[in-house]
Amino acid sequence: NFMLTQPHSVSESPGKTVTISCTGSSGSIASNYVQWYQQRPGSAPTTVIYEDNQRPSGVPDRFSGSIDSSSNSASLTISGLKTEDEADYYCQSYDSSNPHVVFGGGTKLTVL
Amino acid sequence: EVQLVESGGGLVQPGRSLRLSCAASGFTFDDYAMHWVRQAPGKGLEWVSGISWNSGSIGYADSVKGRFTISRDNAKNSLYLQMNSLRAEDTALYYCAAGGYSLSDAFDIWGQGTMVTVSS
Repeated sequence: NFMLTQPHSVSESPGKTVTISCTGSSGSIASNYVQWYQQRPGSAPTTVIYEDNQRPSGVPDRFSGSIDSSSNSASLTISGLKTEDEADYYCQSYDSSNPHVVFGGGTKLTVL
Repeated sequence: EVQLVESGGGLVQPGRSLRLSCAASGFTFDDYAMHWVRQAPGKGLEWVSGISWNSGSIGYADSVKGRFTISRDNAKNSLYLQMNSLRAEDTALYYCAAGGYSLSDAFDIWGQGTMVTVSS
């Protein structure tokens, strides 16, 4: 089964840039779109990136997404970090081999 | 206001059944695929099941296949999850989420979740 692997945690200082990776276990991660969701404690997830690199309205352009086919991975980059960006981030894609939605294990971002 | 409201959670004994519901409002329900996503206490998100806008495509996580059944009633703007043979590991907050037409589309709308606790 297709799986997505994320680092358990990352930390960075306010104003800096951080990148969170999401690596596909097999096949090509470029075969289906990758989404990124932000989840703050006690709240439901919200979308910060959809279709690899698209931002929903209201999401600041400090958030960007990309795909690297050579490493079979997707990345979420957050620039100009703010304390309000501190949250859990999940990548998500789709396994076409059987109708399955797949989430990465999540990455806890600490801004300190 | 765009909204998804889950209901039906609670405390249930192992082996018993529970039916979750999700009421949609503020958007055209039958334009969206719908999903159930769960989150065990202190853990990450786990996709449980999804159903396309016209119920033509349905998928289940291996962990629930054969025990859970997803369905929708577009006339009632509602999504359901029938959960049978519940296990302790099914304990989680269950979110209802709406995506595009197909199961592969991003989740645009999330509910606030309903808690299911499986314990004797």
